[in-house]
Amino acid sequence: DQQVKQNSPSLSVQEGRISILNCDYTNSMFDYFLWYKKYPAEGPTFLISISSIKDKNEDGRFTVFLNKSAKHLSLHIVPSQPGDSAVYFCAVSGTYKYIFGTGTRLKVLA
Amino acid sequence: SAVISQKPSRDICQRGTSLTIQCQVDSQVTMMFWYRQQPGQSLTLIATANQGSEATYESGFVIDKFPISRPNLTFSTLTVSNMSPEDSSIYLCSVEERRGPFDNEQFFGPGTRLTVL
Repeated sequence: DQQVKQNSPSLSVQEGRISILNCDYTNSMFDYFLWYKKYPAEGPTFLISISSIKDKNEDGRFTVFLNKSAKHLSLHIVPSQPGDSAVYFCAVSGTYKYIFGTGTRLKVLA
Repeated sequence: SAVISQKPSRDICQRGTSLTIQCQVDSQVTMMFWYRQQPGQSLTLIATANQGSEATYESGFVIDKFPISRPNLTFSTLTVSNMSPEDSSIYLCSVEERRGPFDNEQFFGPGTRLTVL
């Protein structure tokens, strides 16, 4: 039973437009949420996080939104750039353990 | 942020053999984690390795199959034993940097791509 789901395996967006990546989780006990980006042949790199006491966190072009009632997390990238093309994983945490989603492959078209 | 290296970066192994993956961190860390990413799948936690104690394995993973060593605060090894093609995967180690209750992140090594024939 998957506790963290990213229902879109892939997403294509035109350069300069907004990319929206979504993530759903099942357990309301999770209280810390993260997004990671992964390029081929590299380990995942941390992008942005949000705690359950907030509903929005912004860092430059990246904004993460948390809807606790819907158990839904989203990452907005605006404007999207070709270098953003990667696989994005959401992760949730309730203790020291992270549980990752299956990833969404984002392709930003020039 | 912690810098993590892994050896080997990739390997092709025969069924029934074992491979030991090394993870080196440039700073002392309490908790190290080993993940697996099978083709098209998410990152799945195999075990948590704390220095000076036995590793804690997640459901579906056992010590006989994935023995882990953690001899000091900067190094860990994961062995994939008696390999089968189903073990073909990317294996990643990670460390956690915890700065506060809601201010922590895990840093990942570059991964070891294992192919079992």
